[in-house]
Amino acid sequence: AQSVAQPEDQVNVAEGNPLTVKCTYSVSGNPYLFWYVQYPNRGLQFLLKYITGDNLVKGSYGFEAEFNKSQTSFHLKKPSALVSDSALYFCAVLPDTGRRALTFGSGTRLQVQP
Amino acid sequence: GAGVSQTPSNKVTEKGKYVELRCDPISGHTALYWYRQSLGQGPEFLIYFQGTGAADDSGLPNDRFFAVRPEGSVSTLKIQRTERGDSAVYLCASSLIYGGGTGELFFGEGSRLTVL
Repeated sequence: AQSVAQPEDQVNVAEGNPLTVKCTYSVSGNPYLFWYVQYPNRGLQFLLKYITGDNLVKGSYGFEAEFNKSQTSFHLKKPSALVSDSALYFCAVLPDTGRRALTFGSGTRLQVQP
Repeated sequence: GAGVSQTPSNKVTEKGKYVELRCDPISGHTALYWYRQSLGQGPEFLIYFQGTGAADDSGLPNDRFFAVRPEGSVSTLKIQRTERGDSAVYLCASSLIYGGGTGELFFGEGSRLTVL
């Protein structure tokens, strides 16, 4: 069975500084990996995905994520954080066989201070 | 509609009552998913449909939970004999591509269920 771990419940960063939100996964076969963001009173929104190819994936709002197969990680990054980036971030994995539905991590709350 | 619509947005019920939650997916999306999100947790898979049929219902916690999608569009999640532990936000998502393999899921804002 597949699983996703987000080891940090909360990440605090000052505006303008780089940010990293960590994610590791466990899945049989080749994973499809996703990041979603949840703003207060809003539905989950897709940020970016890794399917195959270049290990560095660029997504919405200046976010990017790096796929590392040897470390089974897919950390979310942004070079310069904005206060408006403050939200709940979820990493998710979809295996290439078996259950064809996303398995989500427990989420990481990002707080960007002005 | 422009996005995934879920009704009601909030539902308060008493233990033992029956509840229905509705999801109206994005027009043309053939895949539809139900997830449950408890406080402080990530979304937990319940069931997904490809068209009218349930492709995988292995996430339903027990036989009190049931979902239908009779015409391949709107779906209803039904919960019988509700328990306090059923309190959560129930999320619906749709996707243009079956299984979400290369297509992202579009989520509704959820239905918050509170069982007293």
